[in-house]
Amino acid sequence: DIVMTQSPDSLAVSLGERATINCKSSRTVLSSSNSKNYLAWYQQKPGQPPKLLISWASIRESGVPDRVSGSGSGTDFTLTISSLQTEDVAVYYCQQYYGSPLTFGGGTKVEIK
Amino acid sequence: QVHLVESGGGVVHPGRSLRLSCAASGFTFSSYGLHWVRQAPGKGLEWVAVISDDGSDEYYADSVKGRFTVSRDNSKNTLYLQMNSLRPDDAAVYFCAKPKSATPLGFLIDSWGQGTLVTVSS
Repeated sequence: DIVMTQSPDSLAVSLGERATINCKSSRTVLSSSNSKNYLAWYQQKPGQPPKLLISWASIRESGVPDRVSGSGSGTDFTLTISSLQTEDVAVYYCQQYYGSPLTFGGGTKVEIK
Repeated sequence: QVHLVESGGGVVHPGRSLRLSCAASGFTFSSYGLHWVRQAPGKGLEWVAVISDDGSDEYYADSVKGRFTVSRDNSKNTLYLQMNSLRPDDAAVYFCAKPKSATPLGFLIDSWGQGTLVTVSS
């Protein structure tokens, strides 16, 4: 199984400041056949299901604000919120969909400082 | 608009069984593989199982293999999860989830139900 490790477990950022979340996979999720990284980021707010933010490591879903971005390749990935807003308070998960079993990172809780 | 509604959760004693259902609408149900994902209270997300679009293929997390069975009825647009020999660590909110692409076994999930809570307690 591919193990996904996120850091930090939580972070508190001032409004308007940058939030950075890291995700590391135990082996590559970059496909050699299509050069795509099978890595997604989800946002989950209390009492709600997860919401897909980013797919293929860096492709923003429709409606996701452009202050949210994903980067990285192979085994190391980053989710960045460039200017934190109150509506960004949530838990964020990375997930690999390279193959079964699908695996998630442990989550990063983002709060306002 | 995709709509996934889980039901069947509740309180069950250890060792007993429970069947969850997920009623789907807003997309061509028979064209998508579908997943179950669970979340223990206050914990992270754990993938449970996936079933192919026609029900011919199934894959399970090691933690549930041999105890849980995923199935579907494409005539009723409904996904099921039969859970046997339930243990306290199976307690969680169970989400059904749909992949973004209409493929037999799509793994990029973009739609989720609201979940149904399963409590395993004596």
